[in-house]
Amino acid sequence: DIQMTQSPSSVSASVGDRVTITCRASQDISTSLAWYQQKPGKAPNLLIYAASSLQSGVPSRFSGSGSGADFTLTISSLQPEDFATYYCQQASSFPYTFGQGTKLEIE
Amino acid sequence: QVQLQESGPGLVKPSETLSLTCTVSDGSISDSSYYWGWTRQAPGRGLEWISCIHYSGVPYYNPSLKSRVTISVDTSKNQFALRLSSVTSADTAVYYCGRHWGFGGSYGVDVWGQGTTVTVSS
Repeated sequence: DIQMTQSPSSVSASVGDRVTITCRASQDISTSLAWYQQKPGKAPNLLIYAASSLQSGVPSRFSGSGSGADFTLTISSLQPEDFATYYCQQASSFPYTFGQGTKLEIE
Repeated sequence: QVQLQESGPGLVKPSETLSLTCTVSDGSISDSSYYWGWTRQAPGRGLEWISCIHYSGVPYYNPSLKSRVTISVDTSKNQFALRLSSVTSADTAVYYCGRHWGFGGSYGVDVWGQGTTVTVSS
């Protein structure tokens, strides 16, 4: 299985801050990576697919980059509704494994 | 806009089989563009991918669960199902069904069900 490692596990930030979350795969996954946002008690919501493509309806302050084994999710200017947990998922080969999550908290 | 809805018992006894169904609305499960799958989340934990399947019937499983999991599609009912046998308390989780899109589902899950909580307890 491909292992996905996210960092940091948690981060504190303020409204208006720029935040970057990283995700590393245990092997080359090209650009087969998705990012999700999950709020408590809710299903995950797809933000980014194919490493850098913005899902329809997702605000442009979210962006993704990377290829191979190293990826980043950047939120350019945090809004109050962005405080949530974020997960990466590789979709290069089955099983489609998730990272352990990054909890974004209000500072 | 396609919608997914999970259904099934909320309580399952240890050693028994967990059975869940996901009903697809306002869309066709026979659309060849998509795979259909299951993900779960134990209390206070992260997301765990379980399985997915194409309507043509080719299933994929998480090796950590493979010996206990079966996924199936019923095109006549526009549903897909999950069976997990020999459950233990470690299988207590919220179970989500989802639509995987992109070639081979490689773009991730773009539509999710609301999730259903399954508790394993005697």
